[in-house]
Amino acid sequence: DGGITQSPKYLFRKEGQNVTLSCEQNLNHDAMYWYRQDPGQGLRLIYYSQIVNDFQKGDIAEGYSVSREKKESFPLTVTSAQKNPTAFYLCASSPGGRNTDTQYFGPGTRLTVL
Amino acid sequence: GDSVTQMEGPVTLSEEAFLTINCTYTATGYPSLFWYVQYPGEGLQLLLKATKADDKGSNKGFEATYRKETTSFHLEKGSVQVSDSAVYFCALSSTSYDKVIFGPGTSLSVIP
Repeated sequence: DGGITQSPKYLFRKEGQNVTLSCEQNLNHDAMYWYRQDPGQGLRLIYYSQIVNDFQKGDIAEGYSVSREKKESFPLTVTSAQKNPTAFYLCASSPGGRNTDTQYFGPGTRLTVL
Repeated sequence: GDSVTQMEGPVTLSEEAFLTINCTYTATGYPSLFWYVQYPGEGLQLLLKATKADDKGSNKGFEATYRKETTSFHLEKGSVQVSDSAVYFCALSSTSYDKVIFGPGTSLSVIP
């Protein structure tokens, strides 16, 4: 079955530690996205990538980093510079950058900073 | 800039009641409009979409019509079920941007 996988589902981190969230897709999609979701709020875009080896900052990129070395993979690193990292993180992909494209979401990773 | 406004929740309905969730937008150009649904503890999934004015998107008994004159994309369902309990997000994707803009979401609870 094609789809997007995120791991782990739950992640706990101590303050001051970096942590990397995994996102893999086998849909052969060109574009991938990372969103942050806080309780009672909509989704905020962290980073996105339209093509391999290229990515752009979204609305809240500070304290995060990404890489896009392979078409299938778009890992997100939450660094110690992110002041309030506890949140639900969603990865998504779409066939391309056209505005008619549907985004396909993974199941999410819930990150808690202890 | 582009934006999406949704009616505030939570919304609580009895089974078989009629559902309307209002959504209005501000955008330059000709955006595509989407409704996504998020079940508890899961990611979002597309419910329906419309890509041009007067288009009607429909899926699983839900409908929404792209109204350019009122800049609206209201979600409706004639008879809700307990399994429809979820958070519903209205979203737009503009030709001016490389991203989708989501509304804040509306939580729906359907009670038997």
